[in-house]
Amino acid sequence: DIVMTQSPDSLAVSLGERATINCESSQNLLYSSDNKNYLAWYQQKPGQPPRLLISWASIRESGVPDRFSGSGSGTDFSLTITSLQAEDVAVYYCQQYYSTPLTFGGGTKVEIK
Amino acid sequence: QVQLVQSGAEVKKPGSSVKVSCKASGGNFRSFAFNWVRQAPGQGFEWMGGIIPYFGTTNYPQKFRGRITISADEATTTAYMELQSLTSADTAVYYCATQDYYSGWRSYFDPWGQGTLVTVSS
Repeated sequence: DIVMTQSPDSLAVSLGERATINCESSQNLLYSSDNKNYLAWYQQKPGQPPRLLISWASIRESGVPDRFSGSGSGTDFSLTITSLQAEDVAVYYCQQYYSTPLTFGGGTKVEIK
Repeated sequence: QVQLVQSGAEVKKPGSSVKVSCKASGGNFRSFAFNWVRQAPGQGFEWMGGIIPYFGTTNYPQKFRGRITISADEATTTAYMELQSLTSADTAVYYCATQDYYSGWRSYFDPWGQGTLVTVSS
């Protein structure tokens, strides 16, 4: 199974400042046949289901503010919120879909400092 | 875009079974894979498996094989997840989530249902 490791477990960032979340996979998520990284990022707010933010490691979903961006390739990935807003307080998860069983990182809780 | 509406909360006794439903609307039922993902209280996510109605195939991780059945009814555009031999460790919110059917499980989850809380307690 591919193990997804997120860091940090939590971080507190001032409004308007940058937040960066890291995600490391135990296996390469870059598929050579299509040159795509099989990694997604989700946002979950309390009492809500997850919301897809980023697919293919860096493709922002429709309606997601452009302050959210995904980067990385292979085994190391990041989600960056360039200017944290109050509504961004949530837990963020990475997920690999390169192979089954599909697996998630443990989550990173983002709070306001 | 497809919308997913799940059945309501359940309270079950240890050793019993639970069946959760996920009704899809607003999309072509056969164009999706329906997956089940659970989240124990205060924990992360665990993929439990899925079904692709178009191909009639299912995929279950080793941990749940023999204890889970995922099915789909095209006539009612509803997917189901049945989990047997429940223990307190199965207490969790259970989500259905879709993928594009042609990706063969190699796709992200979007959208997700609202979640169904299953509590296992004596």
